Amino acid sequence: EDKVVQSPLSLVVHEGDTVTLNCSYEVTNFRSLLWYKQEKKAPTFLFMLTSSGIEKKSGRLSSILDKKELFSILNITATQTGDSAVYLCAGSVIKAAGNKLTFGGGTRVLVKP
Amino acid sequence: NAGVTQTPKFQVLKTGQSMTLQCAQDMNHEYMSWYRQDPGMGLRLIHYSVGAGITDQGEVPNGYNVSRSTTEDFPLRLLSAAPSQTSVYFCASGRTPDTQYFGPGTRLTVL
Repeated sequence: EDKVVQSPLSLVVHEGDTVTLNCSYEVTNFRSLLWYKQEKKAPTFLFMLTSSGIEKKSGRLSSILDKKELFSILNITATQTGDSAVYLCAGSVIKAAGNKLTFGGGTRVLVKP
Repeated sequence: NAGVTQTPKFQVLKTGQSMTLQCAQDMNHEYMSWYRQDPGMGLRLIHYSVGAGITDQGEVPNGYNVSRSTTEDFPLRLLSAAPSQTSVYFCASGRTPDTQYFGPGTRLTVL
């Protein structure tokens, strides 16, 4: 059974702090690892990672994948209150009927002023 | 483009009732999927489709049916609603499963 586990479950930081979120996965026929940000409504796409060791960056957010150890981290530097959200990671796996995503339980981040 | 639209936004059902959650996209995406999200949990895949006429089950398909007669629409049917189906339902579409856009969600309560 495909499994994606995120840690920590939640954390509270102050503006300006750096946050590191973890995602480990055990899936068969791995294709890619995805990160999403979910505020009040629908998840929005952040990153897709397919290769080990190559960091992807978008502003203050960055992410990297380790396919040998089966995990990914998402870093947020110089956090702002607008970074408060649930961050979801998902493993994309190749199935006969078409690829599908398996999501982790999410990490809730609260950034205090 | 309207993107991914879902109706209704909210719904309250009684146990045993049936209903259809609607999902439509206007981006000509082949891949569409339905997820449910329960408090404190991530998204769990219910059903997905890789094109018109092709559907498959996800992690939690029991109690739900889907069909995909057109590229644009992917309705989710609850056959006989149960309180365990109280959840927020998200529809998503993309050119591939790795590049999905999510709809705004439907909040369903089953009494």
